[in-house]
Amino acid sequence: DQQVKQNSPSLSVQEGRISILNCDYTNSMFDYFLWYKKYPAEGPTFLISISSIKDKNEDGRFTVFLNKSAKHLSLHIVPSQPGDSAVYFCAASAGFANTPLVFGKGTRLSVIA
Amino acid sequence: EPEVTQTPSHQVTQMGQEVILRCVPISNHLYFYWYRQILGQKVEFLVSFYNNEISEKSEIFDDQFSVERPDGSNFTLKIRSTKLEDSAMYFCASTPGGRYNEQFFGPGTRLTVL
Repeated sequence: DQQVKQNSPSLSVQEGRISILNCDYTNSMFDYFLWYKKYPAEGPTFLISISSIKDKNEDGRFTVFLNKSAKHLSLHIVPSQPGDSAVYFCAASAGFANTPLVFGKGTRLSVIA
Repeated sequence: EPEVTQTPSHQVTQMGQEVILRCVPISNHLYFYWYRQILGQKVEFLVSFYNNEISEKSEIFDDQFSVERPDGSNFTLKIRSTKLEDSAMYFCASTPGGRYNEQFFGPGTRLTVL
């Protein structure tokens, strides 16, 4: 039962262009969504998050959009840089404190110079 | 910047042996977690811990697993009798608590069961 889905296992983007990573969820109880970035042999690193009371959150080159009616979120990286090449995980939780994160399978982003 | 640390980085063990994975969460955090990632699969929740007791556990976290906070800084995951399918990356995470707080992950321990 995949409650959080990242349907694109990989994405290749030219340096300087926009990277768009997508994520869908099925559980209506989720109200907090996070993106983590992971390099090989390292733990997931928090990137950006959004709560369900917002539809957009921006932090520098990273913007997360949330469409609650479609149960869809996306991460935009503009401009993409070679150092952004990593696996990106979408995660969700059901709001109240201490709730475990439910992860998607990840999307491997390759930014080509 | 404070970070979650984990030891060892790689543990190799024989099937049936006990292993203890260690984590030092960020010092002012109150909630602690263990997750695992089998090679090529997604990160999966194992157990959460608050106020010296388990607050939630997944179906993966059976009687072979236990967690402990033996002192004010360490948080451990014990696997009593390892199986081949326990081979995975194990990540510890912590959060200060509150409704919209990210979890901070350690670098992971790669467990290989032979």
